[in-house]
Amino acid sequence: QKEVEQNSGPLSVPEGAIASLNCTYSDRGSQSFFWYRQYSGKSPELIMSIYSNGDKEDGRFTAQLNKASQYVSLLIRDSQPSDSATYLCAVNGWGFGNEKLTFGTGTRLTIIP
Amino acid sequence: DGGITQSPKYLFRKEGQNVTLSCEQNLNHDAMYWYRQDPGQGLRLIYYSQIVNDFQKGDIAEGYSVSREKKESFPLTVTSAQKNPTAFYLCASSFAGGAETQYFGPGTRLLVL
Repeated sequence: QKEVEQNSGPLSVPEGAIASLNCTYSDRGSQSFFWYRQYSGKSPELIMSIYSNGDKEDGRFTAQLNKASQYVSLLIRDSQPSDSATYLCAVNGWGFGNEKLTFGTGTRLTIIP
Repeated sequence: DGGITQSPKYLFRKEGQNVTLSCEQNLNHDAMYWYRQDPGQGLRLIYYSQIVNDFQKGDIAEGYSVSREKKESFPLTVTSAQKNPTAFYLCASSFAGGAETQYFGPGTRLLVL
C-alpha cells in the first residue's frame, strides 16, 4: 500500500514569514510529485509539480525533492493571508499499475496577519 | 474557456435512490478520475479511465459505477449500495495516466436526506 504522510497541522505562520510544508512517501519508485492548494469548500488547484531531485522555484513557491530520503517539501516565501488553505501532497510513479495519484491528508496552513 | 465542469453543485439523495454526478471536460484529456473527499480527509480514488470505453476500479469502488462512452464525459453513479455517500465528489482529468498532472473540477457535494 503506497502511503503519503503529511503533518495535518494546523500550521500557523506570521504574515511575511516563510511557511514550510513537508511530505514523506513510502514508494521508493515514485517519480512525480505534486502540491495542490485547497481552499475550504473548494476543489484542489495545482501549485507545483516536481520530478527531479533538488529545488524548483515558481514565484513565492519552492518545491524541494529528495528521493533518497523520500520526502518532498513546499516553501512559501513572504506568506500572505490568501495562502491560508489546506495543502495536499500527491505522489505517483511510472508504468503499469502506477496510473494513480496517492494523496496525503493535507496540512492546514493559517497565515496570521 | 477550457476546463472541467461538474454538475450539480449540490445533490440530495433519498434512501434507496441512485444518483448520477456529471463530469465534462473540454481539455482534450484522455484520462479522467473520480475522487471522494470526506471532512478532514485526503482524496480517495473511486474510479479512473485512461481511454474511452475502458475504466478501472480505484481504492473505494464499491457502491459506485461509471461509464466512459465519450472522451469528454465521465459520469459517476452513486448507487443505493453505497451506504455512506455523504461526501465531496471531485472529478479530475489529465492528458494521460501515470505521471501527468491532474486538474480538478469544482466538485459536487452529495448529501443524504
